[in-house]
Amino acid sequence: EVQLVESGGGLVQPGGSLRLSCAASGFSFRAYSMTWVRQAPGRGLEWVSYINGGTSTIHHADSVKGRFTISRDNAKNSLYLQMNSLRAEDTAVYYCARFEEVADAFDIWGQGTMVTVSS
Amino acid sequence: QSVLTQPPSVSAAPGQKVTISCSGSSSNIGNNYVSWYQQLPGTAPKLLIYENNKRPSGIPDRFSGSKSGTSATLGITGLQTGDEADYYCGTWDGSLSAGVFGTGTKVTVL
Repeated sequence: EVQLVESGGGLVQPGGSLRLSCAASGFSFRAYSMTWVRQAPGRGLEWVSYINGGTSTIHHADSVKGRFTISRDNAKNSLYLQMNSLRAEDTAVYYCARFEEVADAFDIWGQGTMVTVSS
Repeated sequence: QSVLTQPPSVSAAPGQKVTISCSGSSSNIGNNYVSWYQQLPGTAPKLLIYENNKRPSGIPDRFSGSKSGTSATLGITGLQTGDEADYYCGTWDGSLSAGVFGTGTKVTVL
């Protein structure tokens, strides 16, 4: 079964750091680009970050550029999001999603992990 | 903040049809495939339509998609109470080098 499972969310103070992880199974992880997408409470979907299979191409949304870093370990079938200098507006459910390049589609999603930035 | 524009809500009676529009630009919809996602309350989004009009395995043919120029449309026929959800369009934006999603549309079955 193709599956993505996020972990690492929690409560953090403004200015703090958190590292999210996403464990992939059921498919050839290294062959796919991966992304992080977030959803603030009561709001819509916001794309956050992208990394291709070979890690040669990385993109971040302007709202997180310079603060968040996406990475992956293909040997461990894992995707990561290092989040620094967190702000209240970063509070959201964070989803990892597989990106199918040929179709420009986010075809597999994890269940999400909640990040709350508050003092 | 969203690059793609959708109506906030649509509604219809059971068995009827609804359509949801998604408006973008040449840098996103105009030059890339459009996909659609269904998000049931309290759950993660799920791929509903990809490559403008294709359905993943398990998605009923009551759901359909189309694209023309810089706009796309999702159609749902034979509306059921289980279709009540938020629906998002999505694609890649080549100018932004970023994934983009629509503002989201809430479907209500009257």
